[in-house]
Amino acid sequence: DVKVTQSSRYLVKRTGEKVFLECVQDMDHENMFWYRQDPGLGLRLIYFSYDVKMKEKGDIPEGYSVSREKKERFSLILESASTNQTSMYLCASSATGTVNTEAFFGQGTRLTVV
Amino acid sequence: AQKVTQAQTEISVVEKEDVTLDCVYETRDTTYYLFWYKQPPSGELVFLIRRNSFDEQNEISGRYSWNFQKSTSSFNFTITASQVVDSAVYFCALKGPGYSTLTFGKGTMLLVSP
Repeated sequence: DVKVTQSSRYLVKRTGEKVFLECVQDMDHENMFWYRQDPGLGLRLIYFSYDVKMKEKGDIPEGYSVSREKKERFSLILESASTNQTSMYLCASSATGTVNTEAFFGQGTRLTVV
Repeated sequence: AQKVTQAQTEISVVEKEDVTLDCVYETRDTTYYLFWYKQPPSGELVFLIRRNSFDEQNEISGRYSWNFQKSTSSFNFTITASQVVDSAVYFCALKGPGYSTLTFGKGTMLLVSP
């Protein structure tokens, strides 16, 4: 069974803290993604990665960075957490190619910044 | 630019009713992929179906069916004889060829009451 695992379901952090959200996939997928989900705004892409050590900005990268040192792991970093980063964060992975292009998602991390 | 529109924000039905969730998309790509995902209250997005742009065959899977019409740029999802367990937010998504990323609609919340 395919699996994308996010390190935490719920996190509470203080304003100004550095926050790490970790995501691991066991499907040997080349592509990994971080989205945030907010009511009324749907899913918005923060960053994505096509390969180890490669990263591309998505639609809303400001305030975030990412790290992909190993193929199976993709980390999202909030350098200095702010209250407007309170949200649900979803990690996903997918294979490259023209077949089986669907993305598989983790269970989500609900982050609250106080 | 790609765009996915799910005009129905919320739908409420009574169990055993049939319900159709609408999805309209915009893309300039000739090759593209369409998806439906289900997000139950637990938060994880569950992949339901992928449809390639060159395959307009409709698909049925149990109580679920999908109607893909390139002429109207629509990819609608019908649940027959809805059940309470179908209550969730449903997302339609679009992906172009190669290394393009998923573009999501804002989702439709389906509430099925007993």
